[in-house]
Amino acid sequence: DVKVTQSSRYLVKRTGEKVFLECVQDMDHENMFWYRQDPGLGLRLIYFSYDVKMKEKGDIPEGYSVSREKKERFSLILESASTNQTSMYLCASSPKGTPYNEQFFGPGTRLTVL
Amino acid sequence: SQKIEQNSEALNIQEGKTATLTCNYTNYSPAYLQWYRQDPGRGPVFLLLIRENEKEKRKERLKVTFDTTLKQSLFHITASQPADSATYLCALDWSNSGYALNFGKGTSLLVTP
Repeated sequence: DVKVTQSSRYLVKRTGEKVFLECVQDMDHENMFWYRQDPGLGLRLIYFSYDVKMKEKGDIPEGYSVSREKKERFSLILESASTNQTSMYLCASSPKGTPYNEQFFGPGTRLTVL
Repeated sequence: SQKIEQNSEALNIQEGKTATLTCNYTNYSPAYLQWYRQDPGRGPVFLLLIRENEKEKRKERLKVTFDTTLKQSLFHITASQPADSATYLCALDWSNSGYALNFGKGTSLLVTP
């Protein structure tokens, strides 16, 4: 059974802290994605990656960075957390090859920044 | 800019009826469109993909249509059940990437017994 896991379901951090959100997939997928989801705004793409050490900016990369040192792991980093980054963060992966492949999502991390 | 619009109002229907959800888009010439289901507190789950040369696609009680002239996709659930209650998201290619997705905000469906 394919699986995308995220390091925490719930996370509470303080303003100014550096925050790491980890995502691991066991499907040998090349593509990985980070989204945030907020009421009324829907799912918004933050960053994505099509290969190890490669990254692309999505719609809202400001205040975030990513790291992909291994194929199965894609980390989202909040350099200095702010209250407006309180959100549900969702990681997803998809295989390379045929375009337009379905994405497999993790369970999400609900981050609260105080 | 590219926009995807889904009805923000929740759709309430009675068990056994057909639910129809709409996805409209502008400034796209999509080669495909995807539909996902999301339950509260969980990540979206892929349901169906339809390509531009396919007018209709079916999977069990689900049916999706794709009208590139109207720039619209319709998502139907026939013989709906309370277990179908969820938020349904449509998604299109993000910025011609070929693999990243841009999601609509979703429509909440509530099926009552």
